[in-house]
Amino acid sequence: AQSVTQPDIHITVSEGASLELRCNYSYGATPYLFWYVQSPGQGLQLLLKYFSGDTLVQGIKGFEAEFKRSQSSFNLRKPSVHWSDAAEYFCAVGGKGKLTFGQGTILTVHP
Amino acid sequence: DSGVTQTPKHLITATGQRVTLRCSPRSGDLSVYWYQQSLDQGLQFLIQYYNGEERAKGNILERFSAQQFPDLHSELNLSSLELGDSALYFCASSPQGGDNYGYTFGSGTRLTVV
Repeated sequence: AQSVTQPDIHITVSEGASLELRCNYSYGATPYLFWYVQSPGQGLQLLLKYFSGDTLVQGIKGFEAEFKRSQSSFNLRKPSVHWSDAAEYFCAVGGKGKLTFGQGTILTVHP
Repeated sequence: DSGVTQTPKHLITATGQRVTLRCSPRSGDLSVYWYQQSLDQGLQFLIQYYNGEERAKGNILERFSAQQFPDLHSELNLSSLELGDSALYFCASSPQGGDNYGYTFGSGTRLTVV
């Protein structure tokens, strides 16, 4: 069965600092991987996705993620965080007709 | 605006009651997915429809049912409601039925059972 683990429930960074959110997945074949962001009271917005090819994918809002098959990881990064990035971030793996989400990482940004 | 429309945005109802949540997918999308989001369970996949047919089923209770109509809108019916059914219910859509497109999510229906 497919699964996603986001080891960090809550991360706090200062505005302007770099960010890395961790994601590990379990899936038997080549995975389809996604990162979503959810602001309070809102739905989930797709940040980026990986299907194949270049293992470093660029997304919206200056985010990028790197697929590492050997580590079963798909970590999300941003070089310089803005206060508006404060939200909850979900990693997901696609397969068998559904996306399976991790438990999410809440990002707090300090001024 | 994501293009996926969910109504109502908020719903408060009593235990034992039945409610219907509605979803209109993004224009051109054939697949609709329902998810339940709660603090203790996170985002749980309930069910998927593709062009009117049930395609995949997840952790959906027998008290819950869904359908997709010819105009592609979908409804999620929740009956014999319990306190534990209180959650955010999201609808999402995608162009086809595969997993590689990513989904477009609506803003959700917050259900409170009292």
